[in-house]
Amino acid sequence: GAVVSQHPSWVICKSGTSVKIECRSLDFQATTMFWYRQFPKQSLMLMATSNEGSKATYEQGVEKDKFLINHASLTLSTLTVTSAHPEDSSFYICSAPSTGREQYFGPGTRLTVT
Amino acid sequence: AQTVTQSQPEMSVQEAETVTLSCTYDTSESDYYLFWYKQPPSRQMILVIRQEAYKQQNATENRFSVNFQKAAKSFSLKISDSQLGDAAMYFCAYRSPRAGNNRKLIWGLGTSLAVNP
Repeated sequence: GAVVSQHPSWVICKSGTSVKIECRSLDFQATTMFWYRQFPKQSLMLMATSNEGSKATYEQGVEKDKFLINHASLTLSTLTVTSAHPEDSSFYICSAPSTGREQYFGPGTRLTVT
Repeated sequence: AQTVTQSQPEMSVQEAETVTLSCTYDTSESDYYLFWYKQPPSRQMILVIRQEAYKQQNATENRFSVNFQKAAKSFSLKISDSQLGDAAMYFCAYRSPRAGNNRKLIWGLGTSLAVNP
């Protein structure tokens, strides 16, 4: 099946700094990618839909200026957490739908803000 | 708007036994897709099984099968011959057949399945 990678898998940053998470579709093109946030033992919360060549669509309540999304190419989307604070610590997952019915998920990135 | 409900936060099953996880959903669409995803401790999301609403036949993948009741808007997952490796969070998800941003998944809250040896 198709593969989606995320980098880094785990990142620790200091409060006030910014951190970038990359999501790549390795063997297929993805005009759309989704970014999720997940707290322990909870469901996935959709943060935004990343669209290649255009602005991302953010879900209600998600701060656009804090969570910057750039879909630079058909295989790469990035999520930048700006001025991170401890409450931004979470597990971030990206997914990319294929041309068919399935979505393929990255392995996730664990962000810890100290 | 579509919603997905999983009413069982936690379930447990004995190894080799059968367990059924419940999922109900609400939609006004007549065509859609339903999925069960597994999230093991590694947290990598794994597709377990999918069902197209227009298909009357219940989907089956090895030990995993669904009971899709379209009129009742119910989509339960049956795991037969449970194995220790089946222990995970299981999420039910809905997707509209439309393209673009509407390909986003609507998620249930999940069911944590424990498998007892």
